[in-house]
Order: sequence, then C-alpha cells, then structure tokens
Amino acid sequence: AQSVTQPDIHITVSEGASLELRCNYSYGATPYLFWYVQSPGQGLQLLLKYFSGDTLVQGIKGFEAEFKRSQSSFNLRKPSVHWSDAAEYFCAVGPPDTDKLIFGTGTRLQVFP
Amino acid sequence: EAGVAQSPRYKIIEKRQSVAFWCNPISGHATLYWYQQILGQGPKLLIQFQNNGVVDDSQLPKDRFSAERLKGVDSTLKIQPAKLEDSAVYLCASSLPGTYSYEQYFGPGTRLTVT
Repeated sequence: AQSVTQPDIHITVSEGASLELRCNYSYGATPYLFWYVQSPGQGLQLLLKYFSGDTLVQGIKGFEAEFKRSQSSFNLRKPSVHWSDAAEYFCAVGPPDTDKLIFGTGTRLQVFP
Repeated sequence: EAGVAQSPRYKIIEKRQSVAFWCNPISGHATLYWYQQILGQGPKLLIQFQNNGVVDDSQLPKDRFSAERLKGVDSTLKIQPAKLEDSAVYLCASSLPGTYSYEQYFGPGTRLTVT
C-alpha cells in the first residue's frame, strides 16, 4: 500500500537558519512526489513536484527538494528561513495517471525571530 | 483568477444533527475533490468528481456522508447524522482534468466541530 511518513511533527528554527523537512514514502513503482504548504486558516498550496528526471527539484518561495530513490526519501530544504515560512508542510505521493494524492501527517514549522 | 470558494468557514453542531458544506471550484476545473483533515493528520480523500460523475468514492462513509455535483460546477457534501469523530476540516480542491499535473487548488476549508 502507498504511504507517506513525515517523522517530524514539529520543528522550530531561527529566522535565517537553514531548514530540512523529512519525507519517506512507500510505493511499489516510481512515485510522483509533492510538497504542499498550509498556512493557518488557508488551503494547501503546491510548493513543488517531482515526476521524473533531475532529482533536485526547485519550487516556489525558495524551496527545493531532492528525490533519493535508494532512501525512498523526498526531503524539502530551504537555505534561509523567513518568519513567513511558519506553516504546516505536507509531503504527498501520487500514483501515476490518477490525479490522486496521498498525504503524510504533516510537519509544523515554527520560526523564531 | 478567483480561487476555490467554500462555505461556511466554521460550523458547530451537536451529534446526530445534519450539516452541509458548499464548494465552488475554479472556473473551468472539471475535477473536484473533497478531503477530510482531522487534527494532526494529513488530508484524506473522501470523493473525487469529474464533471458531475463520481470517479472515486471508496473512502466516503456512505452510511452518513453524501456528495453531489449538479451541473458539473458547484458541489455539496452532507453529513447526516454527524458523529463526534466527524470533527475535522473539510477541504475542497479542484484541478484541470486529464493533465495529470496533480496541481490541485485548495479552498480554505470548513472547520466542523461536533459536540
């Protein structure tokens, strides 16, 4: 069965520090992978997606993610966090050719000034 | 471009009452999704429509939940009767069909509290 694990429920970083949010997936074939962000009281917004090709993917708001097949991981990174990045981040896997998404449980990011 | 609209934003009901949520997708988006997001969990797909037809409702608790999408635009999700465990945020999303872009556009959600 397809599943997504986000091991960190809550992460706190200082503004300007680097960030890495972890995501591991379980899927029998080549997955489509996604990161969404949810700000308080708002819907989810797509940050970036990986379908194939270059394993380092650039997204919006300065985020990037790296697909590592050997580790079944798709970690999200940002070199310098801004206070406005405080939000909940969801990793998701999408079975190819279905337009469906299976979400992880999310990581809440808190940013201190 | 207007986003996905949902109403109401908040709803508090007692158990065994009924409730309905409304969603208006982005114009031209034929695919519409309803998700349930329980506190501390990721969104879980309840039902997916393409135009006014159901693509997937395998996770919809059909004994109490129902959804419709008349005329392939707006959609309503109903719970009757509600249980305590239905307390959650109900998210609506829409996307262009057939592109497999997976770029789903989400509304702000309806936060339901069942007491």
